Amino acid sequence: SAVISQKPSRDICQRGTSLTIQCQVDSQVTMMFWYRQQPGQSLTLIATANQGSEATYESGFVIDKFPISRPNLTFSTLTVSNMSPEDSSIYLCSVISANTDTQYFGPGTRLTVL
Amino acid sequence: AQKVTQAQTEISVVEKEDVTLDCVYETRDTTYYLFWYKQPPSGELVFLIRRNSFDEQNEISGRYSWNFQKSTSSFNFTITASQVVDSAVYFCALSSRSNYQLIWGAGTKLIIKP
Repeated sequence: SAVISQKPSRDICQRGTSLTIQCQVDSQVTMMFWYRQQPGQSLTLIATANQGSEATYESGFVIDKFPISRPNLTFSTLTVSNMSPEDSSIYLCSVISANTDTQYFGPGTRLTVL
Repeated sequence: AQKVTQAQTEISVVEKEDVTLDCVYETRDTTYYLFWYKQPPSGELVFLIRRNSFDEQNEISGRYSWNFQKSTSSFNFTITASQVVDSAVYFCALSSRSNYQLIWGAGTKLIIKP
């Protein structure tokens, strides 16, 4: 399976600011995703990060709030913009590992917005 | 529509007891995947198992076993001789084989008391 790292692992931010989360994979992967997990909840897919083109967002998520970049097949960033306390969540990236049809997840970024 | 139901919100057992986590799914797809993931308190999501819809063989991995029954649309997970380190939230998930997007259950919080 792919080895996935995320930075930062956690952060405490002030309302109105933005935070960029990085996701790095140790091998080239075609499909990469960003999820949000609000406290005590299951995971919600934010978007599919597409290499070389705009991300595909799920209903309820927009590019202005969650801009995503994917410059190559091993790296992606998610920005949480103009944060409010409701954005306090764990943010996870995941990848589909080649030939396994299985999603593997990064360690997550635990975000607290004050 | 696809749906995954984990009716057990929280289970608490004493160490060394056996415990079964239930998962019931709905899908109109004829081919699909079912997954179990573990999320310990640290927050990372750990992949446990993937099952193809055409493979109804039960699987055993150490103290873990999975019972897939297509007739009842269930994919239950049993931990034998539970240990404190098994304490975590366990998620069941479903994906079609065409787009790999995961449909998540609400999760079951498992507490193993020493």
